[in-house]
Amino acid sequence: GQQLNQSPQSMFIQEGEDVSMNCTSSSIFNTWLWYKQDPGEGPVLLIALYKAGELTSNGRLTAQFGITRKDSFLNISASIPSDVGIYFCAGPTYTGTASKLTFGTGTRLQVTL
Amino acid sequence: DGGITQSPKYLFRKEGQNVTLSCEQNLNHDAMYWYRQDPGQGLRLIYYSQIVNDFQKGDIAEGYSVSREKKESFPLTVTSAQKNPTAFYLCASRSGTGGLFYSNQPQHFGDGTRLSIL
Repeated sequence: GQQLNQSPQSMFIQEGEDVSMNCTSSSIFNTWLWYKQDPGEGPVLLIALYKAGELTSNGRLTAQFGITRKDSFLNISASIPSDVGIYFCAGPTYTGTASKLTFGTGTRLQVTL
Repeated sequence: DGGITQSPKYLFRKEGQNVTLSCEQNLNHDAMYWYRQDPGQGLRLIYYSQIVNDFQKGDIAEGYSVSREKKESFPLTVTSAQKNPTAFYLCASRSGTGGLFYSNQPQHFGDGTRLSIL
C-alpha cells in the first residue's frame, strides 16, 4: 500500500528559529493534509492542499503541494514554545468503495528556550 | 459548538472484559473512523464507516467491533480477543462533500480515549 515518509523524525530547535519538514510518497496524491497533535490530544488540521504547486499559509505556517504530487512541505516561521508537538502529513486513498487517509510517520518538534 | 466528542477520556479494562468507547459527532458528517495510536507511533486504522449501517475493516480490525446505527454515533468495542489493548484511541469524521466515497475532505478528530489494562 501507499506509504508516507516524513523527515526529520524529530528535531530540537531554539525559540525564534524557522522550521522545515517534508513528506514524500511513492505514489501520487491529489490532496495533502497537515495535522498537529499535542500530547494527549487528537490531531488538529493545520492546512489542506488541493492543487499541485499550491502554496498555502495559516499564520506562521506555510505548506506547499509539490509539483510532482508525490511530496509536500511544511514550514513554521519564528517558532514559539506552543509549536511543540507531533506534525503529521496525510493524504486520501481510495479503495473503490471508500475514502481513507494514509498518515505519515510524524515529525516530533521540540523547542528549547 | 459543533465537534466530535469521545468518552470517557480514560478507561480501564480488566482481563477478559469487553469495553466500549463512545464517539459522537454533531457535524452532520457522513464518514467516521477509528484509529489506534501507540506511544511514539503514528495512527493505525481500525474500522471505518462511510454511511449508516455500513462499516469496513481497517488495517488492524482483529479484536475490535463497531456499529453504525445512527449517523452521529460510531462506538468501538474492544473485545477480550484484543490481547494488547493498551493504547490511545482516536475517532474522526469527514464530510461527504465532493462525493461520499471519493471525497478529499479532511478528517476531523476527537480528543481521544486512553485505554489501560488493570
